[in-house]
Amino acid sequence: GDSVTQTEGLVTLTEGLPVMLNCTYQSTYSPFLFWYVQHLNEAPKLLLKSFTDNKRPEHQGFHATLHKSSSSFHLQKSSAQLSDSALYYCASLMNTEGADRLTFGKGTQLIIQP
Amino acid sequence: ETAVFQTPNYHVTQVGNEVSFNCKQTLGHDTMYWYKQDSKKLLKIMFSYNNKQLIVNETVPRRFSPQSSDKAHLNLRIKSVEPEDSAVYLCASSQGTDYTFGSGTRLLVI
Repeated sequence: GDSVTQTEGLVTLTEGLPVMLNCTYQSTYSPFLFWYVQHLNEAPKLLLKSFTDNKRPEHQGFHATLHKSSSSFHLQKSSAQLSDSALYYCASLMNTEGADRLTFGKGTQLIIQP
Repeated sequence: ETAVFQTPNYHVTQVGNEVSFNCKQTLGHDTMYWYKQDSKKLLKIMFSYNNKQLIVNETVPRRFSPQSSDKAHLNLRIKSVEPEDSAVYLCASSQGTDYTFGSGTRLLVI
């Protein structure tokens, strides 16, 4: 069935180093992928979403490219900041029982150290 | 301010009690949802509600029931809570591919 996989539960990095959080998906139809970020005790907030025209979405220094050949939508940033420490979810819009719904991966906790 | 608003922020209750959580969205979205975020941070959909059509995740126990008076409100009632119901309950709304989440209601069952 359709699913989203995040292989890393916890990623710890030093400030200034590049970030890459993995996300792969299985989808029956052409996928619509998202990255959400959740800071402690806050709502998950949309960080990025994939475009249908192969543009690369970017926000707050983060970017992600949808690669249909490898079924991936990895999140990247060239230089981590302390404020990037948060929980990151990859999600896919899936159609289940005739209705679209957002289905999440298990989440990756990102910790940025000084 | 347009957003998704949830009350209460926190709730502590004993096993067997009934609880009810409120959610209101001022975004004009057509669809609303309840998600459960457990202690491992897994986010699972419980219900979605659109144009009076309720879609239930079959893994949700029957003690959970959503209640909607109009498309801007979707409440969640839990009859006779169990310890495993301790979690954060997140309400969301959507229009097309735009999803917005509330800050959640943290439930602790003791």
